Amino acid sequence: QQQVKQSPQSLIVQKGGISIINCAYENTAFDYFPWYQQFPGKGPALLIAIRPDVSEKKEGRFTISFNKSAKQFSLHIMDSQPGDSATYFCAAIRGSTLGRLYFGRGTQLTVWP
Amino acid sequence: DSGVTQTPKHLITATGQRVTLRCSPRSGDLSVYWYQQSLDQGLQFLIQYYNGEERAKGNILERFSAQQFPDLHSELNLSSLELGDSALYFCASSVGAGANTGELFFGEGSRLTVL
Repeated sequence: QQQVKQSPQSLIVQKGGISIINCAYENTAFDYFPWYQQFPGKGPALLIAIRPDVSEKKEGRFTISFNKSAKQFSLHIMDSQPGDSATYFCAAIRGSTLGRLYFGRGTQLTVWP
Repeated sequence: DSGVTQTPKHLITATGQRVTLRCSPRSGDLSVYWYQQSLDQGLQFLIQYYNGEERAKGNILERFSAQQFPDLHSELNLSSLELGDSALYFCASSVGAGANTGELFFGEGSRLTVL
């Protein structure tokens, strides 16, 4: 049973466009929501993260929007660049389970030049 | 470079065999995590060790076992291998016992192919 559902599975965006990846969860015990970025042949790396008491967090061109009542959160990549082409994973953590990350299935983003 | 080292990078073996995957965490990190990445299951948490002791257990099969040694490196042992065990196995580390800040540092993975 997938505890974090992610869509779309793949995304193709023109350079300079906005990439949007959506995630949803059911378990209200989740209290931290990180996004990981994975390039081919590499392990996932933390990109940006948010807590549920914040509705939005921005770091450079990357923004997380969080809707606690809808139990949904999304990653927006502004001015998408070919170098952003990677697989993006949303994830969730329950504080009580410490290091166990529940990952979404991933979104493969391709940014065309 | 995350600072987490995994060996071997690639491993091909036959069904029924046993393999050992090795992980060296970042310097100073006490927690080690093992994750399995496959096409059908995605990234799944297997197990966590903190300073030598098992801390949390996820979807780890009984045929699999792990340990963390006094020098903090960890090994994941996979036995009686089946075709379905073919996957990318990631090790990750963090400073403390919990990753409630969300930041785990992942190695580049060990790709296991079972023929």
